[in-house]
Amino acid sequence: QKEVEQNSGPLSVPEGAIASLNCTYSDRGSQSFFWYRQYSGKSPELIMSIYSNGDKEDGRFTAQLNKASQYVSLLIRDSQPSDSATYLCAVKKTSYDKVIFGPGTSLSVIP
Amino acid sequence: EPEVTQTPSHQVTQMGQEVILRCVPISNHLYFYWYRQILGQKVEFLVSFYNNEISEKSEIFDDQFSVERPDGSNFTLKIRSTKLEDSAMYFCASSVDGGSGYTFGSGTRLTVV
Repeated sequence: QKEVEQNSGPLSVPEGAIASLNCTYSDRGSQSFFWYRQYSGKSPELIMSIYSNGDKEDGRFTAQLNKASQYVSLLIRDSQPSDSATYLCAVKKTSYDKVIFGPGTSLSVIP
Repeated sequence: EPEVTQTPSHQVTQMGQEVILRCVPISNHLYFYWYRQILGQKVEFLVSFYNNEISEKSEIFDDQFSVERPDGSNFTLKIRSTKLEDSAMYFCASSVDGGSGYTFGSGTRLTVV
Protein backbone atom coordinates (compact mmCIF):
# COMPACT_ATOMS: atom_id res chain seq x y z
CA GLN A 1 0.00 0.00 0.00
CA LYS A 2 1.37 3.39 -1.01
CA GLU A 3 2.00 5.73 1.90
CA VAL A 4 0.35 8.84 0.46
CA GLU A 5 -2.12 8.64 -2.40
CA GLN A 6 -3.63 11.34 -4.58
CA ASN A 7 -5.61 11.38 -7.79
CA SER A 8 -3.11 12.29 -10.49
CA GLY A 9 -5.59 14.39 -12.44
CA PRO A 10 -5.53 16.51 -14.36
CA LEU A 11 -8.29 18.32 -12.54
CA SER A 12 -9.75 21.12 -14.61
CA VAL A 13 -11.91 23.86 -13.13
CA PRO A 14 -13.17 27.13 -14.58
CA GLU A 15 -11.79 30.39 -13.23
CA GLY A 16 -13.67 31.48 -10.12
CA ALA A 17 -14.78 27.96 -9.18
CA ILE A 18 -13.78 25.90 -6.16
CA ALA A 19 -11.04 23.32 -6.73
CA SER A 20 -11.11 20.32 -4.42
CA LEU A 21 -7.98 18.19 -4.01
CA ASN A 22 -7.94 14.98 -2.02
CA CYS A 23 -5.33 12.83 -0.34
CA THR A 24 -5.31 9.64 1.72
CA TYR A 25 -2.49 8.24 3.80
CA SER A 26 -1.77 4.78 5.11
CA ASP A 27 -0.05 5.34 8.47
CA ARG A 28 -2.73 5.94 11.09
CA GLY A 29 -0.11 7.35 13.46
CA SER A 30 0.75 10.29 11.16
CA GLN A 31 0.61 13.61 12.96
CA SER A 32 1.51 16.41 10.54
CA PHE A 33 0.05 17.14 7.14
CA PHE A 34 1.08 19.60 4.48
CA TRP A 35 0.03 20.86 1.09
CA TYR A 36 2.73 22.04 -1.30
CA ARG A 37 2.29 23.66 -4.67
CA GLN A 38 4.78 22.86 -7.43
CA TYR A 39 4.88 24.74 -10.70
CA SER A 40 6.40 22.89 -13.63
CA GLY A 41 10.19 22.79 -13.33
CA LYS A 42 10.15 24.51 -9.94
CA SER A 43 10.55 23.42 -6.34
CA PRO A 44 7.71 22.59 -3.94
CA GLU A 45 6.31 25.59 -2.08
CA LEU A 46 4.53 25.12 1.26
CA ILE A 47 1.03 26.57 1.19
CA MET A 48 -0.76 24.93 4.13
CA SER A 49 0.00 22.83 7.18
CA ILE A 50 -2.55 21.15 9.43
CA TYR A 51 -2.05 19.13 12.57
CA SER A 52 -5.49 18.53 14.12
CA ASN A 53 -8.86 17.34 12.87
CA GLY A 54 -11.10 19.92 11.26
CA ASP A 55 -10.64 22.84 8.93
CA LYS A 56 -7.88 25.40 8.67
CA GLU A 57 -8.34 28.44 6.47
CA ASP A 58 -5.71 30.75 5.00
CA GLY A 59 -6.97 33.22 2.45
CA ARG A 60 -8.48 31.32 -0.48
CA PHE A 61 -7.14 28.00 0.80
CA THR A 62 -8.83 25.65 3.28
CA ALA A 63 -7.20 22.45 4.46
CA GLN A 64 -9.38 19.74 5.97
CA LEU A 65 -8.15 16.82 8.05
CA ASN A 66 -10.00 13.70 9.15
CA LYS A 67 -7.63 11.38 10.99
CA ALA A 68 -10.27 8.69 11.52
CA SER A 69 -10.70 8.41 7.76
CA GLN A 70 -6.98 9.07 7.09
CA TYR A 71 -8.01 11.78 4.70
CA VAL A 72 -6.72 15.28 3.95
CA SER A 73 -8.15 17.72 1.46
CA LEU A 74 -7.39 21.16 0.09
CA LEU A 75 -10.06 23.52 -1.18
CA ILE A 76 -9.10 26.48 -3.34
CA ARG A 77 -11.85 29.09 -3.57
CA ASP A 78 -12.14 31.57 -6.44
CA SER A 79 -9.59 29.61 -8.46
CA GLN A 80 -7.28 31.69 -10.66
CA PRO A 81 -5.25 30.66 -13.72
CA SER A 82 -2.14 31.28 -11.58
CA ASP A 83 -3.29 28.40 -9.33
CA SER A 84 -2.59 26.00 -12.22
CA ALA A 85 0.14 23.74 -10.81
CA THR A 86 0.68 20.33 -9.26
CA TYR A 87 -0.45 20.09 -5.65
CA LEU A 88 1.51 17.74 -3.42
CA CYS A 89 0.07 16.23 -0.27
CA ALA A 90 2.74 15.47 2.31
CA VAL A 91 2.67 13.64 5.63
CA LYS A 92 4.97 13.32 8.65
CA LYS A 93 4.66 10.41 11.07
CA THR A 94 6.04 12.31 14.03
CA SER A 95 7.30 15.84 14.48
CA TYR A 96 10.89 14.89 13.73
CA ASP A 97 10.20 12.32 11.04
CA LYS A 98 10.77 12.95 7.35
CA VAL A 99 8.08 14.40 5.13
CA ILE A 100 6.66 11.83 2.71
CA PHE A 101 5.14 13.19 -0.47
CA GLY A 102 2.27 11.91 -2.53
CA PRO A 103 2.50 11.80 -6.32
CA GLY A 104 0.63 15.09 -6.72
CA THR A 105 -2.55 16.21 -8.45
CA SER A 106 -2.28 18.41 -11.50
CA LEU A 107 -4.73 21.33 -11.43
CA SER A 108 -5.63 23.39 -14.46
CA VAL A 109 -7.74 26.54 -14.01
CA ILE A 110 -9.37 27.49 -17.29
CA PRO A 111 -9.89 31.25 -17.91
CA GLU B 1 11.94 36.48 2.72
CA PRO B 2 14.75 34.06 3.69
CA GLU B 3 15.44 31.39 1.15
CA VAL B 4 17.39 28.20 0.62
CA THR B 5 20.03 28.64 -2.08
CA GLN B 6 21.24 25.79 -4.28
CA THR B 7 24.11 25.70 -6.74
CA PRO B 8 24.57 24.90 -9.52
CA SER B 9 21.10 25.15 -11.05
CA HIS B 10 22.04 22.62 -13.72
CA GLN B 11 24.91 20.16 -13.89
CA VAL B 12 25.79 17.75 -16.67
CA THR B 13 28.24 15.00 -15.82
CA GLN B 14 29.56 11.84 -17.37
CA MET B 15 28.60 8.49 -15.93
CA GLY B 16 31.07 7.41 -13.25
CA GLN B 17 32.10 10.96 -12.33
CA GLU B 18 31.69 12.48 -8.88
CA VAL B 19 29.39 15.46 -8.36
CA ILE B 20 28.87 17.76 -5.41
CA LEU B 21 25.60 19.62 -5.07
CA ARG B 22 25.66 22.62 -2.78
CA CYS B 23 23.03 24.20 -0.58
CA VAL B 24 22.94 27.15 1.79
CA PRO B 25 20.00 26.62 4.18
CA ILE B 26 18.17 29.44 5.94
CA SER B 27 20.49 30.72 8.65
CA ASN B 28 18.45 29.93 11.76
CA HIS B 29 17.26 26.54 10.53
CA LEU B 30 18.66 23.49 12.28
CA TYR B 31 17.30 20.59 10.22
CA PHE B 32 18.42 19.89 6.67
CA TYR B 33 17.20 17.52 4.01
CA TRP B 34 17.91 16.32 0.49
CA TYR B 35 15.12 15.11 -1.78
CA ARG B 36 15.14 14.16 -5.43
CA GLN B 37 12.53 14.12 -8.15
CA ILE B 38 13.01 12.10 -11.29
CA LEU B 39 11.21 13.72 -14.22
CA GLY B 40 7.48 12.98 -14.04
CA GLN B 41 7.74 11.18 -10.72
CA LYS B 42 7.12 12.09 -7.10
CA VAL B 43 9.44 13.91 -4.72
CA GLU B 44 11.49 11.28 -2.87
CA PHE B 45 13.28 11.59 0.46
CA LEU B 46 17.03 10.93 0.45
CA VAL B 47 18.45 12.01 3.79
CA SER B 48 17.89 14.20 6.84
CA PHE B 49 20.67 15.88 8.82
CA TYR B 50 20.66 17.43 12.28
CA ASN B 51 23.38 18.36 14.75
CA ASN B 52 26.11 17.48 12.26
CA GLU B 53 24.98 13.95 11.67
CA ILE B 54 22.55 11.98 9.55
CA SER B 55 19.20 11.51 11.29
CA GLU B 56 17.62 9.24 8.72
CA LYS B 57 18.33 8.02 5.22
CA SER B 58 16.27 6.23 2.62
CA GLU B 59 17.05 3.08 0.65
CA ILE B 60 18.06 5.32 -2.26
CA PHE B 61 20.84 6.87 -0.14
CA ASP B 62 23.35 4.07 -0.59
CA ASP B 63 27.13 4.10 -0.23
CA GLN B 64 27.62 6.28 -3.29
CA PHE B 65 25.89 9.18 -1.54
CA SER B 66 27.25 11.30 1.30
CA VAL B 67 26.34 14.58 2.96
CA GLU B 68 28.44 17.15 4.78
CA ARG B 69 28.08 20.46 6.54
CA PRO B 70 31.68 21.56 6.04
CA ASP B 71 31.60 25.10 7.38
CA GLY B 72 28.44 25.81 9.35
CA SER B 73 26.59 27.36 6.45
CA ASN B 74 26.91 25.08 3.43
CA PHE B 75 25.24 21.68 3.21
CA THR B 76 26.47 19.42 0.43
CA LEU B 77 25.36 16.21 -1.26
CA LYS B 78 28.08 14.18 -2.94
CA ILE B 79 27.41 11.43 -5.42
CA ARG B 80 30.62 9.46 -5.78
CA SER B 81 30.15 7.59 -9.05
CA THR B 82 27.14 8.81 -10.95
CA LYS B 83 24.84 6.50 -12.88
CA LEU B 84 22.38 7.32 -15.63
CA GLU B 85 19.50 6.71 -13.19
CA ASP B 86 20.82 9.46 -10.89
CA SER B 87 19.55 11.99 -13.43
CA ALA B 88 16.94 13.97 -11.52
CA MET B 89 16.16 17.27 -9.86
CA TYR B 90 17.78 17.40 -6.43
CA PHE B 91 16.17 19.61 -3.83
CA CYS B 92 17.69 20.81 -0.59
CA ALA B 93 15.28 21.79 2.19
CA SER B 94 15.58 23.15 5.69
CA SER B 95 13.33 23.49 8.72
CA VAL B 96 13.68 25.62 11.81
CA ASP B 97 12.54 22.95 14.25
CA GLY B 98 12.02 19.71 12.32
CA GLY B 99 8.32 19.71 13.11
CA SER B 100 7.05 22.34 10.74
CA GLY B 101 6.96 22.33 6.96
CA TYR B 102 10.16 22.61 5.01
CA THR B 103 11.46 25.44 2.86
CA PHE B 104 12.86 24.08 -0.39
CA GLY B 105 15.63 25.45 -2.52
CA SER B 106 15.16 25.98 -6.24
CA GLY B 107 16.88 22.71 -7.03
CA THR B 108 19.80 21.38 -9.05
CA ARG B 109 18.97 19.55 -12.25
CA LEU B 110 21.53 16.76 -12.59
CA THR B 111 21.91 15.15 -15.98
CA VAL B 112 24.16 12.09 -16.22
CA VAL B 113 25.25 11.21 -19.77
